[in-house]
Amino acid sequence: KAGVTQTPRYLIKTRGQQVTLSCSPISGHRSVSWYQQTPGQGLQFLFEYFSETQRNKGNFPGRFSGRQFSNSRSEMNVSTLELGDSALYLCASSWGGSGELFFGEGSRLTVL
Amino acid sequence: DAKTTQPTSMDCAEGRAANLPCNHSTISGNEYVYWYRQIHSQGPQYIIHGLKNNETNEMASLIITEDRKSSTLILPHATLRDTAVYYCIVAPNDYKLSFGAGTTVTVRA
Repeated sequence: KAGVTQTPRYLIKTRGQQVTLSCSPISGHRSVSWYQQTPGQGLQFLFEYFSETQRNKGNFPGRFSGRQFSNSRSEMNVSTLELGDSALYLCASSWGGSGELFFGEGSRLTVL
Repeated sequence: DAKTTQPTSMDCAEGRAANLPCNHSTISGNEYVYWYRQIHSQGPQYIIHGLKNNETNEMASLIITEDRKSSTLILPHATLRDTAVYYCIVAPNDYKLSFGAGTTVTVRA
């Protein structure tokens, strides 16, 4: 059974640009959540989608957004990138309503 | 979500049991105890979770005190590949997990 797949694995952007990250969950999982990991702040919850609906959102500015498609695949977008957005962005999937999350390897974003 | 307290770091000898403590004195009745680990540069990996009773799976055992204010994750026979940051999290049975700083476990040969 394939795990959670995130693309791209690494990317470099400059300030002011925008970026889209993709996440394919484990087959059958309907919930996809996103986390940001930085050395200073650790792992922080961004948002979660279940059946194409955002159910919860963390304390991040509106520049961070996401969506989920009917096949459960999810994307997150960060607009007007700032240096502080440099981080490892992790996607996790689950059946939904469970704290047993399966994480992908992450997308490492560097903003110059 | 209830806050957890874990030691910053601990060492363990290869082949020995590793006992990782976690305090969660403000845990609510509907909150589970979850354990995850993160090996360097990888995504976190689910280990085990429980509500009241002790739990065991192929990776570890989870011992929760009767008052649920603390728990211990036990890795029965630590290997070098168990070197990682271990996170203890308490949360309702849902998807929004608050990761703290965790315990950096180093398994030494």
